[in-house]
Parts: sequence; structure tokens; C-alpha cells
Amino acid sequence: AQSVAQPEDQVNVAEGNPLTVKCTYSVSGNPYLFWYVQYPNRGLQFLLKYITGDNLVKGSYGFEAEFNKSQTSFHLKKPSALVSDSALYFCAVRDRTGKSTFGDGTTLTVKP
Amino acid sequence: DVKVTQSSRYLVKRTGEKVFLECVQDMDHENMFWYRQDPGLGLRLIYFSYDVKMKEKGDIPEGYSVSREKKERFSLILESASTNQTSMYLCASSPPNLAGGPRYFGPGTRLTVT
Repeated sequence: AQSVAQPEDQVNVAEGNPLTVKCTYSVSGNPYLFWYVQYPNRGLQFLLKYITGDNLVKGSYGFEAEFNKSQTSFHLKKPSALVSDSALYFCAVRDRTGKSTFGDGTTLTVKP
Repeated sequence: DVKVTQSSRYLVKRTGEKVFLECVQDMDHENMFWYRQDPGLGLRLIYFSYDVKMKEKGDIPEGYSVSREKKERFSLILESASTNQTSMYLCASSPPNLAGGPRYFGPGTRLTVT
């Protein structure tokens, strides 16, 4: 069965600094990988996906994610964090049966 | 504007009641999903559906069933509600070309079972 690990419950960064939210995965076959964001008191939103192709995927709100097959990682990144990026972030992997598995989530706090 | 709507934002039910959670999407999507979200546990897949009258079990289907009689509507049923089913329930949909992952989420239903 596939699995997703987000090793950090909490990530704190200063506004303007680069941010990274980590994700590693385990799945049989080629992975389909996703990042989602949940802002306070708002619904879950899709950020970006990796299906195939370029290892660097660009998504919404200036976020990007780097797929690394050898390290089975899919870390979310942003060059310059904003206070408004503070939210709960989820990584997810889909297997070939269609089942999507989510990580436990990482709370990102960006301080001014 | 894309929309996934859920019938209730907040719901309080008693133990043993049969509970229906409704989800409707207006995007003609084939794929629909039901997740529950609990602090520290992320989102866990209950059931998903690739088409009308089709359903597949997710990771935690026990105590739940689903119905998809029309493409736009995916219902989650708690046959006999229990306190451990108190949770936030999220519905999602996606078109088939997103490799099957959920794309649009509803606002969620916070269910409390007393």
C-alpha cells in the first residue's frame, strides 16, 4: 500500500525567506503526486501536481515542487515566503488503483 | 465558477442514527471522493467513485456506505452513527484527466455524534 510522510508537523519561516515543506512517498509503479493547501476556515485547495516529465513543477501562488525519484521525495518550495502563505499543507500520492493517500499535514507559519 | 457543495456545514446527530451527507458538483466530473479529516491524521479516504453507480472502498470504509445514482451527486451514509465518527467530512471531485487525484473540494461538514 502507498504511503506519504510529512516529517515536520510545523515549519516556521520569516517573511521574505525561502520555504520548504517536505514530503516523501512510497508507492508501487509511477507516482502521481499532489500538494494541497488549507487556509484557516477555508476549504482545501489544489496547489500543484506531478504526473510525468519535468522534475520541477510549478503551481498556484508562486509555489513549486521538486520531484526526486531516487530519494522518493516531493518537497514543496517557494523562493520568498509571505505572511499570507501561513496555512496547513498536505502532500498526497495516488496509486494505479485510483486511491489517493494524504500525509498528516504540515502547518506553515510565516512571521513578519 | 467551479463548485462542490455539501448539504450541511455543521451537523449534530445521536449515536445509532442513520446519517446522510450529500455532495453535489456542477462540473460534470466523473471522479468523486469522500474523505474525513482529523487533527494529526490528515485526510483519510473513505470511498471514491469513477462513474455513476460505481464505487470503490478507500482506506477506512467500515461503518460507511455511499450512493451515486446521478453523476453530480455523491452521498455518504453512516448506517448507525457512533461517537468515533465525529469528524470533518470533505467531498471532492475531479475530471478524469487529472490522473484521478481530487481537484476541487467542498467546504466540509463538521459532524458531531453524541
